[in-house]
Amino acid sequence: SYELTQPPSVSVSPGQTASITCSGDKLGDKFVCWYQQKPGQSPVLVIYEDSKRPSGIPERFAGSNSANTATLTISGTQPLDEADYHCQAWDSSTAIFGGGTKLTVL
Amino acid sequence: EVQLVESGGGLVQPGGSLKLSCATSGLTFSGSAIHWVRQASAKGLEWIGRIRSKGNNYATAYAASLKGRFTISRDDSKNTAYLQMNSLKNEDTAVYYCTRIGTTVNGLDVWGQGTTVTVSS
Repeated sequence: SYELTQPPSVSVSPGQTASITCSGDKLGDKFVCWYQQKPGQSPVLVIYEDSKRPSGIPERFAGSNSANTATLTISGTQPLDEADYHCQAWDSSTAIFGGGTKLTVL
Repeated sequence: EVQLVESGGGLVQPGGSLKLSCATSGLTFSGSAIHWVRQASAKGLEWIGRIRSKGNNYATAYAASLKGRFTISRDDSKNTAYLQMNSLKNEDTAVYYCTRIGTTVNGLDVWGQGTTVTVSS
């Protein structure tokens, strides 16, 4: 079965750039979404189709996807960006999620 | 505003059954595919499955690990989708979310608040 791998945690200082990776076999051939989830809340879509932002998502959120790795980049990270981030791709009509990455802003 | 509201969660014994509901508003439900996703405590998201619209023959798909125990259905007259869970196990304990693929956004763009299912004796 298809798997997506994310680092369990990433730390970043306020104002700096955070990068969260998501790896999978030939992931670049699939569209990737990213979801932000704060404690006790439902996930929020922040990136779809690798690099597109839904309405209302700040420009500091960007995505890319090539070869075997998709990356979520948060520029000028703010304390309110501290959350879990989940990548997701489709494999034969099945949605696959990565294990999630806890982003700490300190 | 599009809203999805789950209900039906609770405490159930191992081996038991539970049926969750996902009531929707603010969307053209009959034309929407509804997905179910769950999350065990301090764990990642796990896709359960989805049901497509009447126009797509109400086609369902499930995660391989759950197929056979979980069934997704819908009632377009009530704008509601359902998740029937049978032969429940301790490891099915989780928050269960319903969500949908956006109409202009190719991603799961609206999520319910979730309902908690606890499987325990």
